[in-house]
Formats: sequence, structure tokens, C-alpha cells
Amino acid sequence: AQKITQTQPGMFVQEKEAVTLDCTYDTSDPSYGLFWYKQPSSGEMIFLIYQGSYDQQNATEGRYSLNFQKARKSANLVISASQLGDSAMYFCAMSVGYNKLIFGAGTRLAVHP
Amino acid sequence: GAVVSQHPSWVICKSGTSVKIECRSLDFQATTMFWYRQFPKQSLMLMATSNEGSKATYEQGVEKDKFLINHASLTLSTLTVTSAHPEDSSFYICSGTSGDETQYFGPGTRLLVL
Repeated sequence: AQKITQTQPGMFVQEKEAVTLDCTYDTSDPSYGLFWYKQPSSGEMIFLIYQGSYDQQNATEGRYSLNFQKARKSANLVISASQLGDSAMYFCAMSVGYNKLIFGAGTRLAVHP
Repeated sequence: GAVVSQHPSWVICKSGTSVKIECRSLDFQATTMFWYRQFPKQSLMLMATSNEGSKATYEQGVEKDKFLINHASLTLSTLTVTSAHPEDSSFYICSGTSGDETQYFGPGTRLLVL
């Protein structure tokens, strides 16, 4: 069965520090995509970063990087130099067949000054 | 990045009425659009997938006669909640993709059925 697991319901980080949000996935399909989305309290889903299953290098987008460990089936999001505006829910997702997305339960990140 | 809009952002209606939610891709052609539902403090659950000009594909457990989806053009998809009841109160959010794997989401619609 295809599944995304986010084991951290909540995380705290000090402003300007780095934080890692965990995500593990399960699929038997050799071709898949992994995504991270940010959902602030307003509800919109903001696309952050994408990693394809065949990509050799870890994806990076500004302060966001995806630590892709294929053998361990993990796709952790690393946010460097946290900002107060990073406080939000973060969802890991996997695309399976016909671009359908399966989401994890989410991690609520709180950035403290 | 790609922009998706949704209208309305908030709707309150009486039980038994129907509500239509519009999802528009503003700067790209969305060959495929997806509709999700999110209950408070929960994750997004896919309701259906629609391709322009064809019937939507519904996920298991989603009533297609209750949640009518129309994807009449490459920039517009609509979700109609027919005969809404209080248990349909939720956050409905759409997304669009132009062919690559990345889905771009609208801002969502909060539905409250009284």
C-alpha cells in the first residue's frame, strides 16, 4: 500500500536555527515524486520543493532542501535559517499514478523569536 | 509560479441547498484538476480527479451524485455540493497540474452548512 508517514505532530525551532521535518514513504512503484507543501493558518497550500525518485541529487529551493534517502524511503525537509513566517503546517506528499497525491498527517512548526 | 484561484473563499448555507465552488487556473492550462477535502486538524483527502472534457474519477467512498464535478475548460473546474448537510461542512481545496507532477493549489473554500 502507498503511504506517507509524518511522525512529528509538532516541532519547535528558534528563529535563525535550522530544523528538519521527517517524512517516510512506502510504495512499490519505482517511479514516484515526493513533495513538501506549507499550509499557513489561512489554509492555502504552498508548494515548496519536489524530488523525483530517479533524481540523483537532493532537491534544493532557497532555504528549503530535501534530504532524500531512497534506501530508507525517507524524504525529510530541512529548513535553514528559520524565520517567524515559517510557522505553519507542513505536509509531505507522494505522487502515485496519474499524478494523484497522497498526503501525510502533517507537522505543525512553530518558530520562536 | 502557477496561480490557482477559488471562489467563494467562504460560504454559509442552509441544510438541503446546493453550493457551487469554482476553481480557476489563472496563468496556465490545467489539463488535470483535483478536488480535496480537509477536516479540522486533519490532512487533505483526495475526493476526485478531473480531466478537461471528460468525467471525473472519484475516490472510494466519495458520492459522485452528491459532489458533482465539471471540468469544462482547461482553466475552470467546478465542484457542486448538492443537498448539503452539516456533515459536509469542511475546507474544500482544488489543485491543477499542466502535465508535470507538481500540483498548484487554490486558496480553498470553507463551507459551513447550518
